[in-house]
Amino acid sequence: TQLLEQSPQFLSIQEGENLTVYCNSSSVFSSLQWYRQEPGEGPVLLVTVVTGGEVKKLKRLTFQFGDARKDSSLHITAAQPGDTGLYLCAGAWGNEKLTFGTGTRLTIIP
Amino acid sequence: DTGVSQDPRHKITKRGQNVTFRCDPISEHNRLYWYRQTLGQGPEFLTYFQNEAQLEKSRLLSDRFSAERPKGSFSTLEIQRTEQGDSAMYLCASSLRGAESEAFFGQGTRLTVV
Repeated sequence: TQLLEQSPQFLSIQEGENLTVYCNSSSVFSSLQWYRQEPGEGPVLLVTVVTGGEVKKLKRLTFQFGDARKDSSLHITAAQPGDTGLYLCAGAWGNEKLTFGTGTRLTIIP
Repeated sequence: DTGVSQDPRHKITKRGQNVTFRCDPISEHNRLYWYRQTLGQGPEFLTYFQNEAQLEKSRLLSDRFSAERPKGSFSTLEIQRTEQGDSAMYLCASSLRGAESEAFFGQGTRLTVV
């Protein structure tokens, strides 16, 4: 059972457009990570957020952790075909296991 | 050590057979996870180890699944009496410390039960 719901499940947009992906839970996280996974590979970490309200930027990607630490968003500006992949959020409660969200499959059309 | 390695990369087995997968984590990493992933979905937690201790096993995991991490180094995941529903990608990940550390994933073992 996945406790982290991501939306949308699928997203297909034109190159150059902006997009936002959401990760929501009813539980409070002590930290939240975003990963990107390409076909045939394991997920690769993009960012970790730990403080409520925290915003981190990674080039054209902006990550935000909700004030209550129950949700997070990933915003991509001027999407490029290389951004195509499966985006996963993963939450940790204290030092327990890392639990992944349902995933958002993003396709950028050239 | 260049990363997490998993063996085999692909496994095709007949229903009812037993299979065993191996994961070699990054050498200094204390934590090791096993996940199962079906196409287009997020990884589903199976179990994790802190050094050699198995700290949690998913309640969704039947008794046909067992995992070990002897000496806190490599880990094995065994599935007994495989069923078609076991077909999935099995991912292993390791991290230096706990859940807030970056998890490094292997390329996975794709299991097909026919």
